[in-house]
Amino acid sequence: GENVEQHPSTLSVQEGDSAVIKCTYSDSASNYFPWYKQELGKGPQLIIDIRSNVGEKKDQRIAVTLNKTAKHFSLHITETQPEDSAVYFCAAEVNPGNTPLVFGKGTRLSVIA
Amino acid sequence: GAGVSQTPSNKVTEKGKYVELRCDPISGHTALYWYRQSLGQGPEFLIYFQGTGAADDSGLPNDRFFAVRPEGSVSTLKIQRTERGDSAVYLCASSQTSASYEQYFGPGTRLTVT
Repeated sequence: GENVEQHPSTLSVQEGDSAVIKCTYSDSASNYFPWYKQELGKGPQLIIDIRSNVGEKKDQRIAVTLNKTAKHFSLHITETQPEDSAVYFCAAEVNPGNTPLVFGKGTRLSVIA
Repeated sequence: GAGVSQTPSNKVTEKGKYVELRCDPISGHTALYWYRQSLGQGPEFLIYFQGTGAADDSGLPNDRFFAVRPEGSVSTLKIQRTERGDSAVYLCASSQTSASYEQYFGPGTRLTVT
């Protein structure tokens, strides 16, 4: 089955700098890749996603890139702010609605003011 | 609008007891998912409902775990003879249809088995 690897496990950046989190997946049939942000004591919040027919997607300070050949995708956060501090999870799904999301182990991002 | 809600937010139970965890999906969402999240890990799939039926229960760890969704809305995850290893946060998510990509999560129920 699908396996998703995520790194780094922890990341500290200065406020205003950029942060990059990378994920790889094993199943070449996967075609949907969401990113979730989880704050302490809360459930994961969908922040951006990308489908396999697109190489890059941007939403304000957040962007995601996908390389299907290499089977990896990345989250980019620019101009980081203290409120960006949280745990971020990547996930992959082969067939939305028929197969489950498979998550990475998460990256704890700390933005230092 | 209202998001996914889960009750209780916290549950402490003794080893061997039975527990029920409830999930109210976003109104109108037909697909419902249960995940389990252990400390320091990502969510792991347990079971998925499309309407009233369990479309995929391959993630349930053993037969002590069972889930229902009798009217196609609210779902209950049931755990019999709880063990300390069942301690985790149990997350529920819903999506608009089975073909919808986006899954929206509730706040979770933190289960502690003593």
